[in-house]
Amino acid sequence: DTAVSQTPKYLVTQMGNDKSIKCEQNLGHDTMYWYKQDSKKFLKIMFSYNNKELIINETVPNRFSPKSPDKAHLNLHINSLELGDSAVYFCASSQVLAPTLDSPLHFGNGTRLTVT
Amino acid sequence: GENVEQHPSTLSVQEGDSAVIKCTYSDSASNYFPWYKQELGKRPQLIIDIRSNVGEKKDQRIAVTLNKTAKHFSLHITETQPEDSAVYFCAASNNQGGKLIFGQGTELSVKP
Repeated sequence: DTAVSQTPKYLVTQMGNDKSIKCEQNLGHDTMYWYKQDSKKFLKIMFSYNNKELIINETVPNRFSPKSPDKAHLNLHINSLELGDSAVYFCASSQVLAPTLDSPLHFGNGTRLTVT
Repeated sequence: GENVEQHPSTLSVQEGDSAVIKCTYSDSASNYFPWYKQELGKRPQLIIDIRSNVGEKKDQRIAVTLNKTAKHFSLHITETQPEDSAVYFCAASNNQGGKLIFGQGTELSVKP
């Protein structure tokens, strides 16, 4: 079983559409994250949730809205998609609030979003 | 906020040689420094990590060193193999804000 699983793996859509990416972890972790990896491979944190509570909200357009129905799930909804949103989006989790030696960050397999 | 700089951006070595990747961080409160390996089309995977109270850690062919005074840390891979080819990321965080900030990545190519 994949510890952090996200769907879909690939998402191709047109500008202006609204789409969602789902993430689930079965590790029993308290904290979940969304990271964006751009075409230059740069990994940048977008959001984190701890026990369904928003903890980190980086400078991300309002078109991006995370939702955590429970601590095992963190979904990402994107409104009015733009060309610049094309990237790989990684979900991740850690046992406690901050990644540490005893609570490292575990990534999902990523969702490659292509906006045309 | 924390800023992590990573060098070089690309590194090509011959099989069997050593590879060294260096990172510097800006936040003196950072106390956790993991390294991730990302193969093409795959997710980043943790390969080794270190706390700030330790200067060096080894795991078989990989080692990480940390200089807290200079605020830099390095990844050393010895006896490189073609399967070591990947993008490697350093990262840093403190236990206050929960953010793990990544370096820009190093694309390592090991030629047989």
